[in-house]
Amino acid sequence: EPEVTQTPSHQVTQMGQEVILRCVPISNHLYFYWYRQILGQKVEFLVSFYNNEISEKSEIFDDQFSVERPDGSNFTLKIRSTKLEDSAMYFCASKGRYEQYFGPGTRLTVT
Amino acid sequence: AQSVTQPDIHITVSEGASLELRCNYSYGATPYLFWYVQSPGQGLQLLLKYFSGDTLVQGIKGFEAEFKRSQSSFNLRKPSVHWSDAAEYFCAVGVNFGNEKLTFGTGTRLTIIP
Repeated sequence: EPEVTQTPSHQVTQMGQEVILRCVPISNHLYFYWYRQILGQKVEFLVSFYNNEISEKSEIFDDQFSVERPDGSNFTLKIRSTKLEDSAMYFCASKGRYEQYFGPGTRLTVT
Repeated sequence: AQSVTQPDIHITVSEGASLELRCNYSYGATPYLFWYVQSPGQGLQLLLKYFSGDTLVQGIKGFEAEFKRSQSSFNLRKPSVHWSDAAEYFCAVGVNFGNEKLTFGTGTRLTIIP
């Protein structure tokens, strides 16, 4: 069964550093998403991406964040200058026709 | 804006007992409703979804959920839980078919006791 994959599973970085989180969505899906879950809190929408552009973003997704689909398979989330409060689990999701399928997540720890 | 409320933060049930997890949503029209399960250290797995039609939907692992428009609810049920059902359960709502973002509830942690 096809699945969404994410790398790395855990990333530790220092405050102010840039990080890139990578996702490989399900191959025939057209809609792509990033969500995050701060420890102990609910899952929050960050951004959706369709037809090679952002279709919607939340207030969390400020200028420090960017997304890209550099080739036909990868979907990346970049945080330019990480803050302590960016520490969270980041989930990628992709959607074909009906439902979103989530990856296993990348745990980002900012020190 | 849409919102989801899961009033039970933590529920404990005995193995073999029945289960009902509550979910209430706020949205002006008919939303698209989902239940996801998250095991420790794992991602989110879709249990079931409601888009339209029959208000009682069946999902994986023996779960079902019923959409009640009059109560703005989408409660998840299972007649007999197994120890492997211990996990965090999230209700979510989407409002634009196609490129909908999901709004999640705060989750209900389910503990199973022997």
